Amino acid sequence: RKEVEQDPGPFNVPEGATVAFNCTYSNSASQSFFWYRQDCRKEPKLLMSVYSSGNEDGRFTAQLNRASQYISLLIRDSKLSDSATYLCVVDQAGTALIFGKGTTLSVSS
Amino acid sequence: NAGVMQNPRHLVRRRGQEARLRCSPMKGHSHVYWYRQLPEEGLKFMVYLQKENIIDESGMPKERFSAEFPKEGPSILRIQQVVRGDSAAYFCASSPNEGSYNEQFFGPGTRLTVL
Repeated sequence: RKEVEQDPGPFNVPEGATVAFNCTYSNSASQSFFWYRQDCRKEPKLLMSVYSSGNEDGRFTAQLNRASQYISLLIRDSKLSDSATYLCVVDQAGTALIFGKGTTLSVSS
Repeated sequence: NAGVMQNPRHLVRRRGQEARLRCSPMKGHSHVYWYRQLPEEGLKFMVYLQKENIIDESGMPKERFSAEFPKEGPSILRIQQVVRGDSAAYFCASSPNEGSYNEQFFGPGTRLTVL
């Protein structure tokens, strides 16, 4: 089983759509969870941290289910500028970050 | 406050040559991480360093690869006798505190091409 698994997509959605990404992780000892965004193989940029209670930042909502080792990201009212690859990221024993391969989103007008 | 700096941004080497990749962390950050992204793959952790110390090198190949973060100057990732399979984007990240629960800020990466 891969350490962090994501559906690679691509997800092709129209502007205004709601889209959800899912991620599972294998290390039950992981303590920190993030969603990063990567544009065209540029550097990853932190989109949001994910907390057990769930958290929201504008159009973005992240959820964590520790029992199922499952993380989700919901994007509401998609914009063209949301087109990117979304990386599910989990910490490894407090040092390195473990990245999923990413889910590609393409938002069209 | 400048972000994480990496140079060169693009590096071309022939098989058997050496590649040196540099990373200057954000001001005030003393923790540096190197990651590699192969074509069509996700980022893979290579090594974690603090000033003058390698903390975790579990992701770095045992041969030909080395990393350092001297007291003065940037962190250096060195690849000796490069092979075509080393062609990848190498990203450096820094954080102000220990532990990956802290946000890691990424540099723009160095794209290494081995001919």
